[in-house]
Amino acid sequence: ETGVTQTPRHLVMGMTNKKSLKCEQHLGHNAMYWYKQSAKKPLELMFVYSLEERVENNSVPSRFSPECPNSSHLFLHLHTLQPEDSALYLCASSQEGGLYGYTFGSGTRLTVV
Amino acid sequence: GDSVTQMEGPVTLSEEAFLTINCTYTATGYPSLFWYVQYPGEGLQLLLKATKADDKGSNKGFEATYRKETTSFHLEKGSVQVSDSAVYFCALSDRDDYKLSFGAGTTVTVRA
Repeated sequence: ETGVTQTPRHLVMGMTNKKSLKCEQHLGHNAMYWYKQSAKKPLELMFVYSLEERVENNSVPSRFSPECPNSSHLFLHLHTLQPEDSALYLCASSQEGGLYGYTFGSGTRLTVV
Repeated sequence: GDSVTQMEGPVTLSEEAFLTINCTYTATGYPSLFWYVQYPGEGLQLLLKATKADDKGSNKGFEATYRKETTSFHLEKGSVQVSDSAVYFCALSDRDDYKLSFGAGTTVTVRA
């Protein structure tokens, strides 16, 4: 596979569930990102990892917990979410920060019921 | 901080019409500029980019020129198709930062 792959594509979870989103990049990039895209809102940067270290956390609630075990994989662990957390969650990767742009995955459409 | 402002949509056009989406930016340094496109149900795809002033990015019939004097990066296409219906995002990246700053997105609908 090439590019950035996100799984699952769709996820429905109850407010008491625990689930994880997975992102994998096959581009040899050294930085990875989680974004949240809600209807009628701008893209929200959630987390940035560079060389497997978290370099940014944009005041994201603790019910979202990222994990970057190596430069190719990024996870977003979810627990006790709220209905307003329903959104499209996008993963991206880049080389040398944002200088040449990001490569995005297709996203996970999350619905919290 | 760095920011991007793009024209609000939605924009509705007929096939073969000319498309322009305005984008202006504010940045302290010398950013790289990008246009991303998001088709329904998909993630964002890089459409074109420009990394320095007067560069012209182009792809799939779309063009944008990095204008430092007007701090703009307007997207244009001479003859749109129904398949160009999507949301278009302007973005910038400061060279010293990992972040891409995105505009709010412009929804474009092309009717046959």
